[in-house]
Amino acid sequence: GENVEQHPSTLSVQEGDSAVIKCTYSDSASNYFPWYKQELGKGPQLIIDIRSNVGEKKDQRIAVTLNKTAKHFSLHITETQPEDSAVYFCAASWGFQKLVFGTGTRLLVSP
Amino acid sequence: DTGVSQDPRHKITKRGQNVTFRCDPISEHNRLYWYRQTLGQGPEFLTYFQNEAQLEKSRLLSDRFSAERPKGSFSTLEIQRTEQGDSAMYLCASSPQTGNTEAFFGQGTRLTVV
Repeated sequence: GENVEQHPSTLSVQEGDSAVIKCTYSDSASNYFPWYKQELGKGPQLIIDIRSNVGEKKDQRIAVTLNKTAKHFSLHITETQPEDSAVYFCAASWGFQKLVFGTGTRLLVSP
Repeated sequence: DTGVSQDPRHKITKRGQNVTFRCDPISEHNRLYWYRQTLGQGPEFLTYFQNEAQLEKSRLLSDRFSAERPKGSFSTLEIQRTEQGDSAMYLCASSPQTGNTEAFFGQGTRLTVV
């Protein structure tokens, strides 16, 4: 079955810096790769996603890149703000069915 | 708010008791998913419904766990004879069948077994 690895587990940056979180997946059949942000005591919230027919997608300060050959995908957050502090999860799925999540990255943005 | 609703938000139970959680998906979302999240980990898939049909169950879903979606709308997840290892956040998500769009998660039910 699918396995998703995520790095780093924690990431501390200064406000205004960029943050990059990386994930790898094992199942080449996976074709949908969402990123979720989870704040304390809340459910995961989708922030951006990418499908396997696209190499890059951007939405304001966040972007995701996908390398299907290497089975890597990454989340890029630019101009980080303290409110970006949260746990971020990558996930992979085939056919928009069950999601297999990474282990999460705790992002801390210091003012 | 028309998002995914879960009830209760928190549940504390004694070991050996049965518990039941409810999930109300976004209106007209055909697909409904249950996930379990333990501290410091990502959510793990438990089971998935398309309308009232339960299409897939994870090996994590032991025979003490049962999920239903009798009318294709809300769903319940029951855990019988709870164990301390069942302590976790139980998350529900829903998505529309058409258009292959993303899954929207509820706030979760945090279960503590003492």
